[in-house]
Amino acid sequence: SQTIHQWPATLVQPVGSPLSLECTVEGTSNPNLYWYRQAAGRGLQLLFYSVGIGQISSEVPQNLSASRPQDRQFILSSKKLLLSDSGFYLCAWSPPGASNGAFFGQGTRLTVV
Amino acid sequence: AQSVTQLGSHVSVSEGALVLLRCNYSSSVPPYLFWYVQYPNQGLQLLLKYTSAATLVKGINGFEAEFKKSETSFHLTKPSAHMSDAAEYFCAVSEGTYKYIFGTGTRLKVLA
Repeated sequence: SQTIHQWPATLVQPVGSPLSLECTVEGTSNPNLYWYRQAAGRGLQLLFYSVGIGQISSEVPQNLSASRPQDRQFILSSKKLLLSDSGFYLCAWSPPGASNGAFFGQGTRLTVV
Repeated sequence: AQSVTQLGSHVSVSEGALVLLRCNYSSSVPPYLFWYVQYPNQGLQLLLKYTSAATLVKGINGFEAEFKKSETSFHLTKPSAHMSDAAEYFCAVSEGTYKYIFGTGTRLKVLA
């Protein structure tokens, strides 16, 4: 069966510091991978998605970037965090196609202070 | 672009009462539709999905949803609410072959 791992669960970082959140998927090949950010009352905002190694699509221009160095690894990064980057970040994967839905990790609560 | 609208950011029901969470989608072509549940500080769990095989879709935990093309709706129901159903629920729609667009969520409160 497929599993998705996302870490860390919580993170407190000072303004201006770098960020690296990692997500890995097991038990499947060539998954679509996603990073979402969740803010209270605003649902889930799609930040990045990837359909293959090195293929990243950005949905929202911002202070963040994503990379997919391996088939089942997806990394969310920032060079300098802003206060507005605080939020709940969720990694997800889906099989190829759009009929199966996305499957989520447990999320990372990021607080920028 | 696809979108979904969830009516009511907060819904309260008594334990044992009917749960009805509303979702309307924007597409003129029947899309793939999904309902998810999220418990505090956790990821989202897929409850059920509509993929055009049947208009009434049954999911986990006793939930079901009915796809109504004429109303562009995909409302989530459960006949009898349980305290453990208290959570946030998200409706989602697929866009193209890669993307999933989520609604703003409905927080369900179950009263004893």
